[in-house]
Amino acid sequence: RKEVEQDPGPFNVPEGATVAFNCTYSNSASQSFFWYRQDCRKEPKLLMSVYSSGNEDGRFTAQLNRASQYISLLIRDSKLSDSATYLCVVSSGGSYIPTFGRGTSLIVHP
Amino acid sequence: DGGITQSPKYLFRKEGQNVTLSCEQNLNHDAMYWYRQDPGQGLRLIYYSQIVNDFQKGDIAEGYSVSREKKESFPLTVTSAQKNPTAFYLCASSIPAAASGNTIYFGEGSWLTVV
Repeated sequence: RKEVEQDPGPFNVPEGATVAFNCTYSNSASQSFFWYRQDCRKEPKLLMSVYSSGNEDGRFTAQLNRASQYISLLIRDSKLSDSATYLCVVSSGGSYIPTFGRGTSLIVHP
Repeated sequence: DGGITQSPKYLFRKEGQNVTLSCEQNLNHDAMYWYRQDPGQGLRLIYYSQIVNDFQKGDIAEGYSVSREKKESFPLTVTSAQKNPTAFYLCASSIPAAASGNTIYFGEGSWLTVV
């Protein structure tokens, strides 16, 4: 089983839709969780950290479920500019080496 | 501006040649990383360094070498032993601590093509 797993998609949604991605992780000792966004042929950029209490940044909401070992990203009112690949990142205690999921592709169409 | 600078952005390598990708950061981060990304694939860890003069192999270190003589610099050499080096190479850095949650920052990447 891979350490961090994501559905690669693509998720194809119309503008204005709400879309959600999940990411599962295998190491129960994982302590830090993030969502990154990667545009085609560009470097990944931090979208948001994921806290135990959940967090929201505008149209984006991230949740952590430690019992079931997954994190989620919810995007409301999708924009064309949200089209990208969303990477889930998990770090474990001690070395804090970040492990990346393969990414979920989102395509928002008019 | 603070950040991570990778060079060159595009590089062509002939069969049997070694090439070195540069990575410099002025964020005062202790940890640095090299990842490889193939088309449609996720990021795979090549090497990482958590402190000057120390580095560790990642998941796909064969055919690569690194050095960490200075905190700011973490160059990656792709040797002739790497049989399929064509890929997008990403350098990153972070403060690997609980307080920061180990947020990782990336350079703009280097595209390496074997010709």
